[in-house]
Amino acid sequence: SQQGEEDPQALSIQEGENATMNCSYKTSINNLQWYRQNSGRGLVHLILIRSNEREKHSGRLRVTLDTSKKSSSLLITASRAADTASYFCATAKPPQGAQKLVFGQGTRLTINP
Amino acid sequence: SQTIHQWPATLVQPVGSPLSLECTVEGTSNPNLYWYRQAAGRGLQLLFYSVGIGQISSEVPQNLSASRPQDRQFILSSKKLLLSDSGFYLCAWKQGGGETQYFGPGTRLLVL
Repeated sequence: SQQGEEDPQALSIQEGENATMNCSYKTSINNLQWYRQNSGRGLVHLILIRSNEREKHSGRLRVTLDTSKKSSSLLITASRAADTASYFCATAKPPQGAQKLVFGQGTRLTINP
Repeated sequence: SQTIHQWPATLVQPVGSPLSLECTVEGTSNPNLYWYRQAAGRGLQLLFYSVGIGQISSEVPQNLSASRPQDRQFILSSKKLLLSDSGFYLCAWKQGGGETQYFGPGTRLLVL
């Protein structure tokens, strides 16, 4: 079963605005990862946040993790048309080992020029 | 640098026909390898993973099987395809001690 659940399922904003996507999960995790998928393509890894971290930045991306609420958010600032894609969160459960990822259903983000 | 290849890119197969999808990784050794399936508009579901040659773990019961005949080669197979096998199949790898999985370009399979 899918552990991660993204919200919203779809988001449409104007170029230059910020986009926030949320992810909730149900069990203990080692880490949580965010991926981007352009239509019909493979997944691109964006950022990984470990269970002992609360916030992480990478360029225009900001990820937060609240293990008490079992939730994470991905913020994309100053959005661009090229950010149009589907975004997925994936959780890795302990033990680390082979690290089987459980993906959510994704948020489809559309940036309007 | 490491790269991951999948082929074919697209495939249309009749129900009941066999299947063989191939995934190869370059630029690394002894990677963990994964097969995922993505239904239209949905997230990814892990099908198989492998931590070494000949070592395959299956995550969900299904009509598919996987093999790892070489260190950097992962094959997804079926003897007889079902309509429900249609989907987007993605291969991924990671370093044995790493945390990040890197995905290939995927194979789109349509079973008619």
